[in-house]
Amino acid sequence: AQTVTQSQPEMSVQEAETVTLSCTYDTSESDYYLFWYKQPPSRQMILVIRQEAYKQQNATENRFSVNFQKAAKSFSLKISDSQLGDAAMYFCALRTVNSGYALNFGKGTSLLVTP
Amino acid sequence: EPEVTQTPSHQVTQMGQEVILRCVPISNHLYFYWYRQILGQKVEFLVSFYNNEISEKSEIFDDQFSVERPDGSNFTLKIRSTKLEDSAMYFCAGASGTGGTDTQYFGPGTRLTVL
Repeated sequence: AQTVTQSQPEMSVQEAETVTLSCTYDTSESDYYLFWYKQPPSRQMILVIRQEAYKQQNATENRFSVNFQKAAKSFSLKISDSQLGDAAMYFCALRTVNSGYALNFGKGTSLLVTP
Repeated sequence: EPEVTQTPSHQVTQMGQEVILRCVPISNHLYFYWYRQILGQKVEFLVSFYNNEISEKSEIFDDQFSVERPDGSNFTLKIRSTKLEDSAMYFCAGASGTGGTDTQYFGPGTRLTVL
């Protein structure tokens, strides 16, 4: 069975500061992919960043980067220079090759950005 | 940039009624998914669909649910006899492949309220 755990229900960051959202996962498979999705108040799910488990290099997308620790099964998201528009729910998701095509989501972290 | 669209944005129905939720995927997508999110909970996989067949389904996707692609563009989710617990946000997603990094792009969701 696969599990995705986001232990921080809520986080807060000041504008222009950096925040890190935590995600841990469990899978017995060696080939898998990890994703962070953002869900703003409009509730649309927007891909933020993705990471292939076989890649050692951490993925980055502009102000968003991940810290992927495969041995620890940890996949945290760092948001640099936080902006008011970053305020949203953030979901970590896991997809394994041998478990079909479905994304397995964590419960989410609500990020508040204060001016 | 092409987007996944969903209609209606909000559907209110009486318990026991049938509802059809509609999705128009991005034109080059071949793999389609439905997920749901009960308010305050995580996003859950319902079903995946490829080549006019269900590829995979979760325990949630029981006989009350069905999917089809009636005209080669729309992708629908039907709930035959709605229950109160079907109240949720329903998301359609599509992908161009199932390779490791083929990203699932989500629609804006349909909020279903069962009274």
